Amino acid sequence: GDSVTQMEGPVTLSEEAFLTINCTYTATGYPSLFWYVQYPGEGLQLLLKATKADDKGSNKGFEATYRKETTSFHLEKGSVQVSDSAVYFCALSDPNFGNEKLTFGTGTRLTIIP
Amino acid sequence: NAGVTQTPKFRILKIGQSMTLQCAQDMNHNYMYWYRQDPGMGLKLIYYSVGAGITDKGEVPNGYNVSRSTTEDFPLRLELAAPSQTSVYFCASSYGGFEGRTEAFFGQGTRLTVV
Repeated sequence: GDSVTQMEGPVTLSEEAFLTINCTYTATGYPSLFWYVQYPGEGLQLLLKATKADDKGSNKGFEATYRKETTSFHLEKGSVQVSDSAVYFCALSDPNFGNEKLTFGTGTRLTIIP
Repeated sequence: NAGVTQTPKFRILKIGQSMTLQCAQDMNHNYMYWYRQDPGMGLKLIYYSVGAGITDKGEVPNGYNVSRSTTEDFPLRLELAAPSQTSVYFCASSYGGFEGRTEAFFGQGTRLTVV
């Protein structure tokens, strides 16, 4: 079945550091890929998405590129801020299942220290 | 804007008790979902619904039941609570499938402890 693998956390960085959170996937179809973010005490919210190979999703300074050849969708940000502290989830939807469901990775907890 | 509303936010149950987790959305979304989030395990899909009167099992449906009598509401029922059901439960909704611009909107979660 489909699966999403994220880098283990937690990740702690200093403010203005460069961020990479790795995400790879396995899917039976040609999936759409997503990053969701969960701020403390809140539900998940969509950060960015990409629906086909070589697409780049971007939002709030975060970027991720859909790499079909390496089945990856790594999240990057050039200069992180304290307000970026949250849990980040990589996810996919598979057209072989009608794109009706999201399959999530385990999440990566990010803490930014001033 | 209400979005997706879950109640209660916290609950402690004794083994064998039953309860219903409530979920309501006011965005006229067709699709609704229940996920559980266990530490270090990510989110697992319990049940989902693509419209009123239609429900389907996800990855981990055992021990749970759902119904979808209206577009707005999607309650999750635990009949005989077990310690393995201790988790954080998230309800979510979306307008349709995820191949286009659709995104999932999540509630704030219900933290359930079974003792």
